[in-house]
Amino acid sequence: GENVGLHLPTLSVQEGDNSIINCAYSNSASDYFIWYKQESGKGPQFIIDIRSNMDKRQGQRVTVLLNKTVKHLSLQIAATQPGDSAVYFCAERPNSGNTPLVFGKGTRLSVIA
Amino acid sequence: GAGVSQSPSNKVTEKGKDVELRCDPISGHTALYWYRQRLGQGLEFLIYFQGNSAPDKSGLPSDRFSAERTGESVSTLTIQRTQQEDSAVYLCASTKGGWGNEQFFGPGTRLTVL
Repeated sequence: GENVGLHLPTLSVQEGDNSIINCAYSNSASDYFIWYKQESGKGPQFIIDIRSNMDKRQGQRVTVLLNKTVKHLSLQIAATQPGDSAVYFCAERPNSGNTPLVFGKGTRLSVIA
Repeated sequence: GAGVSQSPSNKVTEKGKDVELRCDPISGHTALYWYRQRLGQGLEFLIYFQGNSAPDKSGLPSDRFSAERTGESVSTLTIQRTQQEDSAVYLCASTKGGWGNEQFFGPGTRLTVL
């Protein structure tokens, strides 16, 4: 929603550069991870997901990396564009089955034109 | 097709009043979720409806919060005797199935309790 992320960590990136947004998750039993993008005044939008049996997944201009050893998830955005400016959230599903997603606090990406 | 819609987009109320927030999920989506998002925070799960199963209410913060869903359509989130700490954006999402499926979010309702 609007003004979400006023106090969030911020990553500033020059337009055209690659962005890397990091997320540490909490539960070693988590089996499913998602990255969401939230623009000002809007609800979160799905970007990409990955299951725990994978360590890398690629989409269009985005790559998600999963390191289960250190419980770390990252989102890489290639050739960052002004339209990528938003707050990015990672989410984990703590156990397989019907359990709620747990969301991180988010990182604000600011693209400098 | 139409996405998830929520109303109102903004709600300002006085402390102690009751409020009702509405969510219209994507047609055909069996699962519906409510979240709360405080300023500068991530999403906090509140409640989950899946088809005709009993809802998962494990995220509701107090008995002042309740939600209903009619079949696989509209849902309402009710907050009774609102408090200032209830001020947040309330987001609704829907999916074709359960938690392992892509969630489609609505734009949220910004609630301000004075």
